[in-house]
Amino acid sequence: KAGVTQTPRYLIKTRGQQVTLSCSPISGHRSVSWYQQTPGQGLQFLFEYFSETQRNKGNFPGRFSGRQFSNSRSEMNVSTLELGDSALYLCASGEDSSSGNTIYFGEGSWLTVV
Amino acid sequence: DQQVKQNSPSLSVQEGRISILNCDYTNSMFDYFLWYKKYPAEGPTFLISISSIKDKNEDGRFTVFLNKSAKHLSLHIVPSQPGDSAVYFCAATLTFGSGTYKYIFGTGTRLKVLA
Repeated sequence: KAGVTQTPRYLIKTRGQQVTLSCSPISGHRSVSWYQQTPGQGLQFLFEYFSETQRNKGNFPGRFSGRQFSNSRSEMNVSTLELGDSALYLCASGEDSSSGNTIYFGEGSWLTVV
Repeated sequence: DQQVKQNSPSLSVQEGRISILNCDYTNSMFDYFLWYKKYPAEGPTFLISISSIKDKNEDGRFTVFLNKSAKHLSLHIVPSQPGDSAVYFCAATLTFGSGTYKYIFGTGTRLKVLA
């Protein structure tokens, strides 16, 4: 099976712009979650989607949004970019299981805001 | 409120010796614990997991121990190899009644295995 695919891998944006990141989950996985990683902050949960519905949301401002399509592919959008949004954005997919839910990560999208 | 804590930001171990990475948590409702390994410029890779109803799980060189009374989790790597040098994240999950779940990650421990 192909792994989780994220595009683009690297991008540079200017403060105030908006950005859209894309994620294709592992085939058969219907849950997609997004994380932000900054130095020293670990992995901060942004949101999780399942069957096109947002099931969980972390503590990020409304500038961060996402969606999931019927084929389970997901996008996240950050509007009005700030310098502090520079980070590695990771997407993870998982099967929905009541007995342990292992998620698998993509390689991430490196966003630099200048 | 950091519910999952990795208090050691870094650890150096000699090749062939044991590496022990530690993780503490505060929420007794966590039902599943996992370890991920992350190399620079790559996404985290799933390593090993353990259910909250167990106290040990082993997979090759990797063993995870869970002490529920102490709310403590550890990952043992024996023997350590230079290729194990990476950042290791501890994670815990909360499963809700609807079957949905939430992951909470620690801040990571950078392991360096010296040749």
